[in-house]
Amino acid sequence: QVELVQSGTEVKRTGASVKVSCRASGYDFIDYYIHWVRQAPGQGLEWIGRIHPDSGVTQYSPRFRGRITMSRDLSVNTSFLEMTSLTSDDTAVFYCARWGERILPPYGGSSSQFDLWGQGTLVTVSS
Amino acid sequence: NFILTQPLSVSESPGKTVNISCTRTNGSIETKYLQWYQQRPGNSPTTVIFEDYRRPSGVPDRFSVAFDGSSNSAFLIISGLKAEDEADYYCQTFDTDTQVFGGGTKLTVL
Repeated sequence: QVELVQSGTEVKRTGASVKVSCRASGYDFIDYYIHWVRQAPGQGLEWIGRIHPDSGVTQYSPRFRGRITMSRDLSVNTSFLEMTSLTSDDTAVFYCARWGERILPPYGGSSSQFDLWGQGTLVTVSS
Repeated sequence: NFILTQPLSVSESPGKTVNISCTRTNGSIETKYLQWYQQRPGNSPTTVIFEDYRRPSGVPDRFSVAFDGSSNSAFLIISGLKAEDEADYYCQTFDTDTQVFGGGTKLTVL
């Protein structure tokens, strides 16, 4: 079954860090970028950044640069998002999502869309 | 950089047609592929339109898209509204090393 499964709910104190995981299954993990998206309560979707699973190269939104680190573990087909210096404004659901354009040939079946999403991880930050 | 602007909310009666706009500031709305996602409360987003006009399998042809160059906008058109269409809808596109979502539109089926 093709899916992304994320780690569970986190509750953190202001100033702490959080690390969320996203395990991929049912497809070739290194063949698609993994992106992270944030959704604050009652708010819209906000792009955080992406990681190339094979090389580990990352691109981050300027809004989060300096406070986030994306990484991956190829042995367990898992991507990670770590965010530091948490504030109450970081309370949100964090999603990982697969971008549907294949990185490796053959490129058949590629599509420009977020075609697979994790179930979301709620991170609550309080003082 | 650019942003995608959507109306906060739209509402319409069952069986009617609704248009949800997505307007790009700074650059043509047709520069890169545009996608539309549906998100029901408590769920992850799912694609209703990708690559401007394409529908994933399982998405009914009641969902379509139109582009208007004069307003630099795209419109998600949902015809024959059903109660199950009530959700938040987001447009999304990309540029070099970045992805951009619209602010989202809450569709209420009266």
